[in-house]
Amino acid sequence: DAKTTQPTSMDCAEGRAANLPCNHSTISGNEYVYWYRQIHSQGPQYIIHGLKNNETNEMASLIITEDRKSSTLILPHATLRDTAVYYCIVRVDRNYGQNFVFGPGTRLSVLP
Amino acid sequence: DAGITQSPRHKVTETGTPVTLRCHQTENHRYMYWYRQDPGHGLRLIHYSYGVKDTDKGEVSDGYSVSRSKTEDFLLTLESATSSQTSVYFCAISEGDKYEQYFGPGTRLTVT
Repeated sequence: DAKTTQPTSMDCAEGRAANLPCNHSTISGNEYVYWYRQIHSQGPQYIIHGLKNNETNEMASLIITEDRKSSTLILPHATLRDTAVYYCIVRVDRNYGQNFVFGPGTRLSVLP
Repeated sequence: DAGITQSPRHKVTETGTPVTLRCHQTENHRYMYWYRQDPGHGLRLIHYSYGVKDTDKGEVSDGYSVSRSKTEDFLLTLESATSSQTSVYFCAISEGDKYEQYFGPGTRLTVT
């Protein structure tokens, strides 16, 4: 699976949009981009995933560049509860043995 | 939140003793996974199951065994606990191999 690169940390003002970038320049055509977050010591929480089209759900939007070498997770109106470590993962959908390789992620701090 | 519980949530045990961690789901999902999370390593897959009595190894399976006799329960056993197995253990479930995973709250295990 392709590797990802994310900034180590970011700050965002409460109520503003948080834009978290992810670089995955070696992504291949059948690899999906997934985003998870982990709040304090809780289990990782699924946010969103996509292949090449932009995606939106109740939590966030995922913008994938046309060449698919990078993506951005957007939290439209960040709240203090969005403070967490955000993980960008690329993964091939295989038949068995699916696992997510979580790198160090981006530590997002939402500031009042 | 997906119906996943883990027990116990915290455990302290001595080196050489057997330990069993339980993951219970109420979602009737086919796939279940055990991960460990350590500082500097992210989450690493220990074992996974793709059905009742169907299990396979992940990347860090040495010293661990699993069993799944019912859809809803996935047990992780440390046959003889070592200090290197001190970690936070997360269980995850997914509906199928092409679906996102949902994580439990975690079990913090300390081996003294």
